[in-house]
Amino acid sequence: QQQVKQSPQSLIVQKGGIPIINCAYENTAFDYFPWYQQFPGKGPALLIAIRPDVSEKKEGRFTISFNKSAKQFSLHIMDSQPGDSATYFCAASKGRNRDDKIIFGKGTRLHILP
Amino acid sequence: DVKVTQSSRYLVKRTGEKVFLECVQDMDHENMFWYRQDPGLGLRLIYFSYDVKMKEKGDIPEGYSVSREKKERFSLILESASTNQTSMYLCASSRGRGGYTFGSGTRLTVV
Repeated sequence: QQQVKQSPQSLIVQKGGIPIINCAYENTAFDYFPWYQQFPGKGPALLIAIRPDVSEKKEGRFTISFNKSAKQFSLHIMDSQPGDSATYFCAASKGRNRDDKIIFGKGTRLHILP
Repeated sequence: DVKVTQSSRYLVKRTGEKVFLECVQDMDHENMFWYRQDPGLGLRLIYFSYDVKMKEKGDIPEGYSVSREKKERFSLILESASTNQTSMYLCASSRGRGGYTFGSGTRLTVV
């Protein structure tokens, strides 16, 4: 119940296309859903995050769509560029106690073809 | 910007050696974490700490220990390195329920 399931494991998209990465969770107590972006040789960095009181959040070319009833959320990258090639992790956490850790999905390796 | 610094980018150690991985953060964050990252397995939590001298086991603590003597420093210790501990090790810190800030990682090879 603590898992966050992420798909696909890898994704190849032509430049300008819209890659979509999907995540699903079981624990309805989760109330914070961040996405992390990791370039080769670097640690993951917080990209964008959403809370379940909204269905969509946009930051530049990155959009999170959130479906609370289905317990699913997804990342869309508009007008994708080769520089977006990276590994993306979805995640979830719950509660206001400091021992509520972030649970990560297993990651999606995205490659944008030039 | 919050900075999390891991002392080594690459490390090669021999089987049986005691290995220390150091992590320092400069933004007075209470929470610090150690993860290992392996292809296909994502990020797996080894140990975490919410305060000085405090530690909690994560999902895969076997073969590891940690030390947090000062708020800004969190060390991961491999008591007797084995080849199955060859991996990328990532340190992270956070304040309260904020997002995590990760270091650049240490790629450890045990031969």
